[in-house]
Amino acid sequence: AQSVTQLGSHVSVSEGALVLLRCNYSSSVPPYLFWYVQYPNQGLQLLLKYTSAATLVKGINGFEAEFKKSETSFHLTKPSAHMSDAAEYFCAVTNNDGQNFVFGPGTRLSVLP
Amino acid sequence: DTGVSQNPRHKITKRGQNVTFRCDPISEHNRLYWYRQTLGQGPEFLTYFQNEAQLEKSRLLSDRFSAERPKGSFSTLEIQRTEQGDSAMYLCASTTSSDTPISNTGELFFGEGSRLTV
Repeated sequence: AQSVTQLGSHVSVSEGALVLLRCNYSSSVPPYLFWYVQYPNQGLQLLLKYTSAATLVKGINGFEAEFKKSETSFHLTKPSAHMSDAAEYFCAVTNNDGQNFVFGPGTRLSVLP
Repeated sequence: DTGVSQNPRHKITKRGQNVTFRCDPISEHNRLYWYRQTLGQGPEFLTYFQNEAQLEKSRLLSDRFSAERPKGSFSTLEIQRTEQGDSAMYLCASTTSSDTPISNTGELFFGEGSRLTV
């Protein structure tokens, strides 16, 4: 069985500050990992994905995430937060046949002026 | 617009009534998923289809819930005898199957959801 935990249901940062959203996963097989973003009243959009290629993955809007097998982590970072980054962020895991996507509970990011 | 389309966007109903949601996936996608999302939570898996076959159902999906994808294109999710606990956002997502390497697939494309208020 696969599972995802996201530490911190709500993270607040100042505009221009580093963004760090944490994701840890549990999987009995090599995982494929995703970060999705959900803006208010919109559907989930893919930010980035890890599919066993490079461990450092770059996504849209300046976000990146690093897969660390030893720590079973896939934390999301952005060097400098922008007001438009305020949204809900979800980490998700699946296996190599892509049948069962499991989502974490989400982290709400607030960006303060 | 060639994205995933869901209708209606918002449904208000009385307890005990039946409701049906429709999802039109991206046309070339053979996999279709239904998720439920409540406030402050991540999407919870309900069921998924590969073409017209329903391959997996969550234990969350009580016998009041039924989903179909009759021709392998659009899908419907029906909830019979709705209860207050059914109030949630129902999300549909589509993708291609992993006959090709996962790096070319694996991404779920979501619709904007159908919000149910009971």
